[in-house]
Amino acid sequence: AQTVTQSQPEMSVQEAETVTLSCTYDTSESDYYLFWYKQPPSRQMILVIRQEAYKQQNATENRFSVNFQKAAKSFSLKISDSQLGDAAMYFCAYRSANYGGSQGNLIFGKGTKLSVKP
Amino acid sequence: DAMVIQNPRYQVTQFGKPVTLSCSQTLNHNVMYWYQQKSSQAPKLLFHYYDKDFNNEADTPDNFQSRRPNTSFCFLDIRSPGLGDAAMYLCATSREVGGYTFGSGTRLTVV
Repeated sequence: AQTVTQSQPEMSVQEAETVTLSCTYDTSESDYYLFWYKQPPSRQMILVIRQEAYKQQNATENRFSVNFQKAAKSFSLKISDSQLGDAAMYFCAYRSANYGGSQGNLIFGKGTKLSVKP
Repeated sequence: DAMVIQNPRYQVTQFGKPVTLSCSQTLNHNVMYWYQQKSSQAPKLLFHYYDKDFNNEADTPDNFQSRRPNTSFCFLDIRSPGLGDAAMYLCATSREVGGYTFGSGTRLTVV
């Protein structure tokens, strides 16, 4: 079974600085998706960034970028120029590309709570 | 805009009184999910529908049921809510592959 591990329960960053959130995962599959979701206090889960495992190029969305290391099974999120609105719980998640029964379900890490200091 | 809508946003129910939470989507996604999320925890999958096929997670209590009358709507029924069922309930949709789209959630309080 696949697992997702976020080893940092809480992180803090100064406004305008850069922060990196860590995520590792375990799988025997070669084709899958990785995601970072943001959940602010309002509690809606919002997709931040997505990476397809077959793509070697790291995904980037404005101030958010990932460092995807497939061999190391690592998928970290870098937030540049941090803003107060970035404060939230961040979840790393894995999804198999092979749908069948529960295989296509999203598997979450335990989350990292990010605080942004003004 | 295409989206996932959950109603109500907040629900208060009495201990043991059946309650139904609803979810609708305009994305025409064939897979719909219900998650339970307790404070400071990751969401926990309760069950999902692939089209009309219902898939229950092994550890989902019998107290939780679901209905999907059509592609757009999915309901979560809690037959006899206990204090331990107080949580945020998240509905999500997806296609067979790719990412999920989440609703805003329903926060359930049991009194």
